[in-house]
Amino acid sequence: AQSVSQHNHHVILSEAASLELGCNYSYGGTVNLFWYVQYPGQHLQLLLKYFSGDPLVKGIKGFEAEFIKSKFSFNLRKPSVQWSDTAEYFCAPPPCNFNKFYFGSGTKLNVKP
Amino acid sequence: DTGVSQNPRHKITKRGQNVTFRCDPISEHNRLYWYRQTLGQGPEFLTYFQNEAQLEKSRLLSDRFSAERPKGSFSTLEIQRTEQGDSAMYLCASSLVEATKAFFGQGTRLTVV
Repeated sequence: AQSVSQHNHHVILSEAASLELGCNYSYGGTVNLFWYVQYPGQHLQLLLKYFSGDPLVKGIKGFEAEFIKSKFSFNLRKPSVQWSDTAEYFCAPPPCNFNKFYFGSGTKLNVKP
Repeated sequence: DTGVSQNPRHKITKRGQNVTFRCDPISEHNRLYWYRQTLGQGPEFLTYFQNEAQLEKSRLLSDRFSAERPKGSFSTLEIQRTEQGDSAMYLCASSLVEATKAFFGQGTRLTVV
């Protein structure tokens, strides 16, 4: 079955620390992947997406992700987190691939001021 | 605000009661999705519509759950004879058929007491 997995369930960092959240996928063919963010009390928002081309993708708010085919990974990174990055982060393939969303279980990030 | 709108935002109901949620998608979007998110989990797919046709239902959607999109615009999700296990955030999203991304509403939080 097509799916993604996120192994970090809860991450706690201090402000200015570097962030890397893991996402591994387990499907073949054309691989497209998204990262979504859900801030407390808000709806899911698209953070960044990979479709093809440069495997290093830059998103909003200083986030980036690197697609590494050999590792089946699409990890999310940010060099220096802020308290406002406290949120839950979800990795998912886009609906046009599979007609629906398959989400990872999410990673809850707490950034301490 | 022309985003996806969900009502109500919060619903507390007694076990055994019926509840209905409404989702108003972005007007030109022909696809509409329903998801359920419980604590510590990523959004789980429930069902989706293309225009007024319900194209897929998850096995998570028991007989107590029904969703409609009568005119291909807004959608309703009804839960009959609610159980405590139905307590969750119910998310709606909409997209175009050839979607590379979907837009999410803020969700309806259901608490069954």
